[in-house]
Amino acid sequence: DAKTTQPPSMDCAEGRAANLPCNHSTISGNEYVYWYRQIHSQGPQYIIHGLKNNETNEMASLIITEDRKSSTLILPHATLRDTAVYYCIVRVEGFGNEKLTFGTGTRLTIIP
Amino acid sequence: NAGVTQTPKFQVLKTGQSMTLQCAQDMNHEYMSWYRQDPGMGLRLIHYSVGAGITDQGEVPNGYNVSRSTTEDFPLRLLSAAPSQTSVYFCASSLGGGEKLFFGSGTQLSVL
Repeated sequence: DAKTTQPPSMDCAEGRAANLPCNHSTISGNEYVYWYRQIHSQGPQYIIHGLKNNETNEMASLIITEDRKSSTLILPHATLRDTAVYYCIVRVEGFGNEKLTFGTGTRLTIIP
Repeated sequence: NAGVTQTPKFQVLKTGQSMTLQCAQDMNHEYMSWYRQDPGMGLRLIHYSVGAGITDQGEVPNGYNVSRSTTEDFPLRLLSAAPSQTSVYFCASSLGGGEKLFFGSGTQLSVL
């Protein structure tokens, strides 16, 4: 799986959009971009994933650049409960691609 | 659905003791895995399984054994605990190796 680079920490004001960047310049054509978050000491939680098109669900939006070398996770109206560590991972889907290692992620702090 | 259930939530061991961390899922997921998370670090894959009777090593398998006799259960065994195994352990499952992961709430293990 390709490597990802994320800033170690970010702050965002409550109610504003939180934009979390991820660089994956070595991504290959069949690798998806996945985002997870980990709130305090809980188990990580899946947020969203995409291949090349922008994606949106009830939690967030994922914007992938046209060259797929970077992406941005957007939390449209951040709340205090969004304070967490956010992990960006790129991986190939399907059987035979089970080894998944998380990096250190971005620690997002929502400020009241 | 209970999702992924881990027991116990907390455990203190003495060096050299053995124990088993339990993990069960009720989602009929084929893929299950174990991660450890040390302070300030991301999650590292210990062992994983793509189905009953099939297991493989992850990034940090030394000191740990696993087996998968049923689809539902994937226990992690520490045969002779060492202080370096003090960590938080997470179990995860998914429909397939490349699908989104569902995590348990974790087991905090201290080895004295």
